[in-house]
Amino acid sequence: GQNIDQPTEMTATEGAIVQINCTYQTSGFNGLFWYQQHAGEAPTFLSYNVLDGLEEKGRFSSFLSRSKGYSYLLLKELQMKDSASYLCAVPDGGATNKLIFGTGTLLAVQP
Amino acid sequence: DGGITQSPKYLFRKEGQNVTLSCEQNLNHDAMYWYRQDPGQGLRLIYYSQIVNDFQKGDIAEGYSVSREKKESFPLTVTSAQKNPTAFYLCASSTSDGISGNTIYFGEGSWLTVV
Repeated sequence: GQNIDQPTEMTATEGAIVQINCTYQTSGFNGLFWYQQHAGEAPTFLSYNVLDGLEEKGRFSSFLSRSKGYSYLLLKELQMKDSASYLCAVPDGGATNKLIFGTGTLLAVQP
Repeated sequence: DGGITQSPKYLFRKEGQNVTLSCEQNLNHDAMYWYRQDPGQGLRLIYYSQIVNDFQKGDIAEGYSVSREKKESFPLTVTSAQKNPTAFYLCASSTSDGISGNTIYFGEGSWLTVV
């Protein structure tokens, strides 16, 4: 089966950089997704990594190491609006049409 | 605008009632999903459908039912057999062509409360 681990909560300061880690175990790997979810709202897609390395997209970057079963989301120049839950997700057993989500990391950005 | 529309946004259910949550997408996506989210918890998959007239149970299908008669529509019925239905329900859809990992996109969600 699948198992995804993320820290439950993190706190960071406005303007700083924060790294949110995710470790996963899956029987067949077909990429890893990061989503952002503000309280009471639906998750929105941030990134998809299928190859090792860092993918940069503006202030957000996502890293993947398939051999280590590890990913992180890097948020730069933090803004108050970045306060949200960040969800790591992988396809179930390689079946790309079924995502398994971690419980998410609640990030609080402080002034 | 293309997107996923869920309705109603807020719904109250009495004990013993069945209720149906609507989900419509105009993204021409083959696959559709229903997730449930409880406060402070992650998303759990209820049902998913990869093609019209076909659907599979997810991890927590008991007490729920779905249909997929049209590509655009994937309604979820919460039956009286679901003993703890109060939650945030999210409908989602994705392509099935393997491009970009079949990224899942979500509707705005429906809040269901038992009264």
